[in-house]
Amino acid sequence: DAKTTQPPSMDCAEGRAANLPCNHSTISGNEYVYWYRQIHSQGPQYIIHGLKNNETNEMASLIITEDRKSSTLILPHATLRDTAVYYCIPSGFGNEKLTFGTGTRLTIIP
Amino acid sequence: SAVISQKPSRDICQRGTSLTIQCQVDSQVTMMFWYRQQPGQSLTLIATANQGSEATYESGFVIDKFPISRPNLTFSTLTVSNMSPEDSSIYLCSAGTVLTLEAFFGQGTRLTVV
Repeated sequence: DAKTTQPPSMDCAEGRAANLPCNHSTISGNEYVYWYRQIHSQGPQYIIHGLKNNETNEMASLIITEDRKSSTLILPHATLRDTAVYYCIPSGFGNEKLTFGTGTRLTIIP
Repeated sequence: SAVISQKPSRDICQRGTSLTIQCQVDSQVTMMFWYRQQPGQSLTLIATANQGSEATYESGFVIDKFPISRPNLTFSTLTVSNMSPEDSSIYLCSAGTVLTLEAFFGQGTRLTVV
């Protein structure tokens, strides 16, 4: 399994963009980069995934470097409800088991 | 998408007893997984629940301690046997299919062993 490195914690002001980095230098060629988040006392929630192109959905944007060794999750206008632990996980599709790292604890400051 | 319901949502149990956690998915799924999240920690995969056959356990987890059943494509149970305080954790069920892009998770079962 590819190993990931994420900062343990980050703060972001409400209304600003939150940029969460992840290093995944050992990702294999057929693995996607998935991002999940876990809000306190809830199960993890899917956010977005990508292979090598940048992706955007209603929740976030994902920027993947050309060499695929790192990526950045962008929450464009962070709200207090975005306070959570964010996990970057190289994986296949949703039918595969996930290896969770330590993640980044994002705190949105009012 | 898939909605996953876990029962119970929380329980307090005496050491030496066993607890069975149920996971129900509202649609047929290919894969079901059980994870453990110890206090303040990340999620750790316990096993893959295989329909119609024995579960596949990760290193450090054994069938005698965490027996798993999966009688059909929408339901699975995890039993935590002969519990000790070290088993106090959140246990989460997850599911996915070859057609879905992401894994879905239940809300978890918060277990406290006293």
